[in-house]
Amino acid sequence: KQEVTQIPAALSVPEGENLVLNCSFTDSAIYNLQWFRQDPGKGLTSLLLIQSSQREQTSGRLNASLDKSSGRSTLYIAASQPGDSATYLCAVARSQGNLIFGKGTKLSVKP
Amino acid sequence: GAVVSQHPSRVICKSGTSVKIECRSLDFQATTMFWYRQFPKQSLMLMATSNEGSKATYEQGVEKDKFLINHASLTLSTLTVTSAHPEDSSFYICSARDARTGGVVAKNIQYFGAGTRLSVL
Repeated sequence: KQEVTQIPAALSVPEGENLVLNCSFTDSAIYNLQWFRQDPGKGLTSLLLIQSSQREQTSGRLNASLDKSSGRSTLYIAASQPGDSATYLCAVARSQGNLIFGKGTKLSVKP
Repeated sequence: GAVVSQHPSRVICKSGTSVKIECRSLDFQATTMFWYRQFPKQSLMLMATSNEGSKATYEQGVEKDKFLINHASLTLSTLTVTSAHPEDSSFYICSARDARTGGVVAKNIQYFGAGTRLSVL
């Protein structure tokens, strides 16, 4: 059974700092891995999607890496801003089916 | 980008009533939609997979007679929580997978609605 773990559960940083969020999964046979952002009371915004054959994806200040063999992914956020404050979710897909989510990392960026 | 509309965003109801939640893909067709549930401080957990024109597939431990799913068209799936009880209070969110063949489906890109916060008194 696939399990997704995110560390840390919560993170508070000053504005401008670079930071890394971690995600690990127990079954390396994944189809793809996605990072989402969830704002309080809101739905999910997809940030980055990494196919199983890829090693990383970049979008603006965000960079996500994937190491299938070790069952790990990281989300790197450069020059953090208060607007980045949200809960970040990592999810893996089994085949072309549903996503299995971690519990998320709640990020707070202080001005 | 693709948009998924989910309504209502928040429901407060009395115990024993039924609540219907709609999930619509606005600018694409979705043969498959997924329904997830999130309890406080927990992960989003899949409840069921909804396929257009056929019966939904429920995850273990999810009562199909309590959580009725209908996916009658390529743009609409509904989840009805029948005889809701306080323990059903949760955040329900749907996602839709683009039905187009080729690149998008192959990447298994799913678009999420904004979610429904259900509170049963």
